[in-house]
Amino acid sequence: QKEVEQDPGPLSVPEGAIVSLNCTYSNSAFQYFMWYRQYSRKGPELLMYTYSSGNKEDGRFTAQVDKSSKYISLFIRDSQPSDSATYLCAIDYNQGGKLIFGQGTELSVKP
Amino acid sequence: DARVTQTPRHKVTEMGQEVTMRCQPILGHNTVFWYRQTMMQGLELLAYFRNRAPLDDSGMPKDRFSAEMPDATLATLKIQPSEPRDSAVYFCASGLGQGTETQYFGPGTRLLVL
Repeated sequence: QKEVEQDPGPLSVPEGAIVSLNCTYSNSAFQYFMWYRQYSRKGPELLMYTYSSGNKEDGRFTAQVDKSSKYISLFIRDSQPSDSATYLCAIDYNQGGKLIFGQGTELSVKP
Repeated sequence: DARVTQTPRHKVTEMGQEVTMRCQPILGHNTVFWYRQTMMQGLELLAYFRNRAPLDDSGMPKDRFSAEMPDATLATLKIQPSEPRDSAVYFCASGLGQGTETQYFGPGTRLLVL
């Protein structure tokens, strides 16, 4: 079993839709969870970062961690064509910077 | 603005040749990461350094890959000899070395081994 699993999609939604992106992870000891966004032919960039359980909101983006089910989610409200990218979830394996990434979900937001 | 730079951006080579990729981390960052991204495997950590010392290279095939930091402003990743299965995008990232932290990625080196 992979440490982090993510449905690669692709996912296509109309502009203005609410997008839900999800990952599962294997080890309940993981505490730090991240979402990176990667535009085509670019390096990933950190979008959001959460510690332990709960929600974190930043503008149209909400990151959620459910430690009981080992599930992490990213919600995008009022999605825009500029949100079209690949979204990668990641966990910090050793709380020292060693990141394990999910496969990435390719999102396309159609005008 | 400060960013991670990588050279070359693209490399096409023949099987058996040596490939060297270079990375300049953001000034003041003391942690450097090397990743490989493929369609099949996704983004995988190969190795990382803190204060120029290797911390973990367990993701790197030891027989043909080597990573070094000759100084604080340069990290290198070498493949010798290269094989077609090494074709991928190689990313370098840097960070401030404060435990769990933001990693700033470079634009990547696209490697094709024929």
